[in-house]
Amino acid sequence: DVKVTQSSRYLVKRTGEKVFLECVQDMDHENMFWYRQDPGLGLRLIYFSYDVKMKEKGDIPEGYSVSREKKERFSLILESASTNQTSMYLCASSHHRGLMNTEAFFGQGTRLTVV
Amino acid sequence: GDSVTQMEGPVTLSEEAFLTINCTYTATGYPSLFWYVQYPGEGLQLLLKATKADDKGSNKGFEATYRKETTSFHLEKGSVQVSDSAVYFCAQTTSGTYKYIFGTGTRLKVLA
Repeated sequence: DVKVTQSSRYLVKRTGEKVFLECVQDMDHENMFWYRQDPGLGLRLIYFSYDVKMKEKGDIPEGYSVSREKKERFSLILESASTNQTSMYLCASSHHRGLMNTEAFFGQGTRLTVV
Repeated sequence: GDSVTQMEGPVTLSEEAFLTINCTYTATGYPSLFWYVQYPGEGLQLLLKATKADDKGSNKGFEATYRKETTSFHLEKGSVQVSDSAVYFCAQTTSGTYKYIFGTGTRLKVLA
């Protein structure tokens, strides 16, 4: 079975802390994504990566950075956590075949609360 | 730009009722289309997909047909169960892009 694993299901952090969310996939996928999900706003793309060390901003990158040093791992970093970053964070990965993506596979989500 | 529009929820049905959740898309290219399901507190799971016009995706009694002429990909199930209660997302991805575009989700509640 394909697997995308996020390091934590629940996290509570203090305002101003540096926060790392880790995601690992075992499918040798080229693409990896970080989304946040908030009630009424659906899924919003924060950053994505289409290859090792490559990254591109999504729709809401402010306050976040990412790292992809190995193909299977994609980290989301909150440089200085703020309460408006309290949210559900979803990691996903997919294969890029020719010019087209295959379906995306999602992790179980990390519910982050910043206090 | 490319977009996905799905019907607002919540949708509340009795067990064994027929389900339709509407989804329409706009795309500059030729998209692949997906339905995902999200159970409470979980990530999204792929429910079904279709990669070209007239394809029908199906899984666990759910079906959706890729209709290019109406730019639609409506989700249907003939007889819903309480265990189908979840949030359903329609999504697309288009040739030449790395991104996926998701609808806002439709919450389904099935009553026993």
